[in-house]
Amino acid sequence: NAGVMQNPRHLVRRRGQEARLRCSPMKGHSHVYWYRQLPEEGLKFMVYLQKENIIDESGMPKERFSAEFPKEGPSILRIQQVVRGDSAAYFCASSPGLGVRDIQYFGAGTRLSVL
Amino acid sequence: RKEVEQDPGPFNVPEGATVAFNCTYSNSASQSFFWYRQDCRKEPKLLMSVYSSGNEDGRFTAQLNRASQYISLLIRDSKLSDSATYLCVVNINYQLIWGAGTKLIIKP
Repeated sequence: NAGVMQNPRHLVRRRGQEARLRCSPMKGHSHVYWYRQLPEEGLKFMVYLQKENIIDESGMPKERFSAEFPKEGPSILRIQQVVRGDSAAYFCASSPGLGVRDIQYFGAGTRLSVL
Repeated sequence: RKEVEQDPGPFNVPEGATVAFNCTYSNSASQSFFWYRQDCRKEPKLLMSVYSSGNEDGRFTAQLNRASQYISLLIRDSKLSDSATYLCVVNINYQLIWGAGTKLIIKP
């Protein structure tokens, strides 16, 4: 049973380009979460999705960032017109959705570097 | 006041010592609690779940005090490999709220 798979592991973009980060949840998990972690800082929640639905996007920046979790395929975090401040580690987690006993399992992350 | 607060540390502890972290939460409706550990430049990994008053797993003991709204993590006989950041996580209304983490450094 493969864990949460994120790709790419490292992504380099120039300012103004688009970044697409992919996340395949663990088998049987229908809940996906995206987090951002700046160097030397803690995890910051960005968005919570279930299949084809955004449940909570309270942590997403209002502009340039979007996320989706289609019926088929991985979840995608998309950053348009990247800026240097977007450089960070982006972690995806998935969970089976067990209510109060729900546990999130993390992927290895995508490290985005904006030149 | 933050919903979940942790002492950021770092805690510098000699190998073999016992170390304890506290984590306080502000929402009395919190329903479940977790400790994760995160190594430098790696993803967080679940260390322990805390569903009732507390539980023990080898050298690690987690305790929950609902009246005072805090959870604690105790590490006995600390090892060099315990060096990491320890993250407190609280489930509030089916949403996980993350603390900023406590950094632990075990010294030989």
